[in-house]
Amino acid sequence: QKEVEQNSGPLSVPEGAIASLNCTYSDRGSQSFFWYRQYSGKSPELIMSIYSNGDKEDGRFTAQLNKASQYVSLLIRDSQPSDSATYLCAVDAGNMLTFGGGTRLMVKP
Amino acid sequence: VTQTPKFQVLKTGQSMTLQCAQDMNHEYMSWYRQDPGLGLRQIYYSMNVEVTDKGDVPEGYKVSRKEKRNFPLILESPSPNQTSLYFCASSYQGTAYEQYFGPGTRLTVT
Repeated sequence: QKEVEQNSGPLSVPEGAIASLNCTYSDRGSQSFFWYRQYSGKSPELIMSIYSNGDKEDGRFTAQLNKASQYVSLLIRDSQPSDSATYLCAVDAGNMLTFGGGTRLMVKP
Repeated sequence: VTQTPKFQVLKTGQSMTLQCAQDMNHEYMSWYRQDPGLGLRQIYYSMNVEVTDKGDVPEGYKVSRKEKRNFPLILESPSPNQTSLYFCASSYQGTAYEQYFGPGTRLTVT
């Protein structure tokens, strides 16, 4: 069974701080990695995708991938209360997508 | 991506089809269920018309993909353990591309 692991949280950060979310995966053959945000009662929406080792930045979000360590992370700079949500790590597993259980982020004003 | 219905309550054994449609001409469509503590788990997926395959939790479900835009999920004899939040998703071509999720169907089986 291919696995994707995340700390369930909640991760609590003050407004304006950096939030760091982590994810590990078991399938060494995975090539595509995604971070989705899910507000309570809503459907997931894509925040970032990353396909090669290193960092990828998009506005306040930075995704980091280390395939050797089988590790993906998401940094959110200048966290806002509107960033409070559950963040889901998803890993491509050959025609299927495996999701982690999600990390609940709470940004306190 | 649209899903109907938004909410549904069924009795055990009362068959039901959850509808999913997309108007983005996407090749790939899939169904997930989301349960507290278990996260999102893939039920079935379809790479293209007439091509479907099992995900991680296919037991108790059937699918068909007769046309590109529709991917219904069939529960022929639902049981209480199929009570869940169901999401349909589609993407341009497979799992290397962004998945667009529907709004979800909350299903309760009593």
